[in-house]
Amino acid sequence: EDQVTQSPEALRLQEGESSSLNCSYTVSGLRGLFWYRQDPGKGPEFLFTLYSAGEEKEKERLKATLTKKESFLHITAPKPEDSATYLCAVPYNTDKLIFGTGTRLQVFP
Amino acid sequence: DAGITQSPRHKVTETGTPVTLRCHQTENHRYMYWYRQDPGHGLRLIHYSYGVKDTDKGEVSDGYSVSRSKTEDFLLTLESATSSQTSVYFCAITDLGPHTEAFFGQGTRLTVV
Repeated sequence: EDQVTQSPEALRLQEGESSSLNCSYTVSGLRGLFWYRQDPGKGPEFLFTLYSAGEEKEKERLKATLTKKESFLHITAPKPEDSATYLCAVPYNTDKLIFGTGTRLQVFP
Repeated sequence: DAGITQSPRHKVTETGTPVTLRCHQTENHRYMYWYRQDPGHGLRLIHYSYGVKDTDKGEVSDGYSVSRSKTEDFLLTLESATSSQTSVYFCAITDLGPHTEAFFGQGTRLTVV
């Protein structure tokens, strides 16, 4: 069964304390892995797409990496404004997009 | 920001009444999706459309129907609302399918009492 699992469910960091979020997937024939950020009361906002193992993408304090079984979202020296829920998603069955349940990140000053 | 608008943004309705949520886009994207988001379950696909009058079911389609008569509009109907359909509903659009970037609406918070 195609599945996307994210860990941890929640993460509390002190400002400047780097960490990583994990997204593991069991989709055959991966056609991309997406990371989204979601702020409370808003729709998810696109961050990155990764298409092949070994690929990396960076944006400010965020860096996404991809292996054959999982993806990591590394957060370097986070700031309080990085607090949000981070979602990963993968396409499956031609036309569908399946999401993980997300990691809720809180960064304290 | 992508031109995608959901209406209404908030709605309270009674059990057993029909409810229609609207998603309107100005991007001319082919694919449109309806998701619901609940604590502990994340975003779950209800229905999607891959073109005008072309729709298909997602993971949690029971009790929901959709219609797409124009490229820009995708309607989600709860035929007879139940309390289990209390949720936040999101519409999303993509240009070339699920392997490309999706843009989301702001969501509709639906409460069934």
